[in-house]
Parts: sequence; structure tokens; C-alpha cells
Amino acid sequence: NAGVTQTPKFQVLKTGQSMTLQCAQDMNHNSMYWYRQDPGMGLRLIYYSASEGTTDKGEVPNGYNVSRLNKREFSLRLESAAPSQTSVYFCASSEQGFTEAFFGQGTRLTVV
Amino acid sequence: GNSVTQMEGPVTLSEEAFLTINCTYTATGYPSLFWYVQYPGEGLQLLLKATKADDKGSNKGFEATYRKETTSFHLEKGSVQVSDSAVYFCALSDHRSGANNLFFGTGTRLTVIP
Repeated sequence: NAGVTQTPKFQVLKTGQSMTLQCAQDMNHNSMYWYRQDPGMGLRLIYYSASEGTTDKGEVPNGYNVSRLNKREFSLRLESAAPSQTSVYFCASSEQGFTEAFFGQGTRLTVV
Repeated sequence: GNSVTQMEGPVTLSEEAFLTINCTYTATGYPSLFWYVQYPGEGLQLLLKATKADDKGSNKGFEATYRKETTSFHLEKGSVQVSDSAVYFCALSDHRSGANNLFFGTGTRLTVIP
């Protein structure tokens, strides 16, 4: 009954450091997404993967890269973290089409 | 393009009061509409959805009707409880490229006091 699992839950980085946020889903969904949530701005799409082997940019892709490792896993990488990337990051998955998205519990990232 | 405009918060209500959170949207096609809820420290959960005009989504006493003529999807509940305190997000889905891209409003924080 795991759903969407994100790791880590919390992280503090120094400016310029790199890190990878991991996401895995066990619902056999085709589509996966990375969002960031900032106060007063709702959730904004960073990257998405419509199916295994494909990735596309969302609204705010700059400073991020993604990898759809297989159908279950979709990782988000920050190559050189900046304070502007301080945010809460959510991974989500869904079937293709207009069904609901399932979200992980989020990663709270602080870049100092 | 696609966008969602949501009622600004925060909203504070007494228990058993009536709740309305306004949501309007702009879409290029015929989107599906959703309300998600985020409880403190948790991820988002789907509250209800509607996939075509005049559909009514409902769950846990909450309701919203997909109004194409007014491009709205307002969330209502007749009698709120303390346990309804959360942040509520209106969203629409865009079916381009076979992906279910979700566009979110900014969220409305609801606090229900006993």
C-alpha cells in the first residue's frame, strides 16, 4: 500500500552542491511528474514523463534534470543548488488520460 | 493557455459553517477539473473531480459542479468540521501529448475553529 514514495523527506544543501531526489511508484502508472511548491504560488510543474523513456519540460525546468529510470522510478537532479531552489518538492504519478494524480509526501529542501 | 484562479485565503470559519472556495479556469480544450486537499505535513490527496461540463464531483460532504458557461468549479460544504482544516487546491488537467499535466491554483488555506 505504498503508492508514491519519495526520498529523502528533508535535506539541507549548501549553494553549489548537487543532489538527486528519488521517487518510486508501485501503481504501474505510465505518467510521472515533479512539482515544486512555494508559498503563494501553488504547485508548478518542473518536468514530467508521459511514459517510460520520455521526459519533457514543464513550467520551471531551469536548474533541474530528470531521469525516468524505468516505469517505477523518476528522479530529479539538482546539479548546482541555488537558494532559489529552496522549496518543497512533490513527485506524482497517474495513468495516461484524465485520471487523478497520486502524490508523494514531499521533500523539503533548503539551500543555504 | 491553461490556468486556474483560486480564491485568496486564508479562510477562517467556525465549526458547522458553510464553506465556499471559488475557482475559475482558462483552458484551450475541454479539461477535467479537480480539487485536491493537503493536510499539514502531508502530500496532496484527491478530494473530488469532474470530467465534463455539468458533472458534479462529491466526497466527504464536499461538492463542486463543472460549469462550462462560467468556467468555474467552486468547492462547497454545508457544515465544516475542525478536521477539514487544510489547504485546498483547484486544478485542471491538460491532455496534450498523452500526459495528464495538472495546472494548479495557488491554494486556499482553511482553518475551522471549534
